[in-house]
Amino acid sequence: QSALTQPASVSGSPGQSITISCTGTTTDVGTYNLVSWYQHHPGRVPKLLISQVTKRPSGISDRFSASKSGNTASLTISRLQPEDEAHYYCCSYAGSTTLIFGGGTKLTVL
Amino acid sequence: EVQLVESGGALVQPGRSLRLSCAASGFIFDDYAMHWVRQAPGKGLEWVAGINWNGNSIGYADSVKGRFTISRDNVKNSLFLQMNSLRAEDTALYHCAKEFDPADYYGMDVWGPGTTVTVS
Repeated sequence: QSALTQPASVSGSPGQSITISCTGTTTDVGTYNLVSWYQHHPGRVPKLLISQVTKRPSGISDRFSASKSGNTASLTISRLQPEDEAHYYCCSYAGSTTLIFGGGTKLTVL
Repeated sequence: EVQLVESGGALVQPGRSLRLSCAASGFIFDDYAMHWVRQAPGKGLEWVAGINWNGNSIGYADSVKGRFTISRDNVKNSLFLQMNSLRAEDTALYHCAKEFDPADYYGMDVWGPGTTVTVS
């Protein structure tokens, strides 16, 4: 069980769009459409942004979208806002009743 | 209000045991799978263990397999994590988290504030 691979950091200016990648293997991201994404502000609990690769739970802004191709999932944040500055984590089902997180990506809004 | 509240964290010596609890309220507890997720100081999120609604399907991260045991009491709306043979690398903030959907592994939509375990 190795963590899914995410870039350590990304940055963007307000109003721009950024994309965070999440690379796994054929035993997790590549096989299961069970990738979720979380936003985590320091001192707060993680917030579910995306479920089942592309689905936004009720109340999540449509500025957050996601996709998957092969072993790589991606989260795109459009029209960046200062409050988007946080850590972002992907998570995938990995078979045998297990989950695996990515290492996390720190988003800086310039 | 849907709520999860963890307890049981403490400072313990390596090799000792600890039992974490998570009290759930505001939702039908036995409809949902539950998880434990931890975050070591300065590190990212790490999934620790998960259990389905009736306890018949359980999974563990390799890092804790054989040492930790997850369980639940659907009468008391509670989730537990028995941690044995604790190591320094188990030091972390431990969150319990609720599955988003009764179908398992869709994501975790409710998280408790966490309880701190320090192994030293």
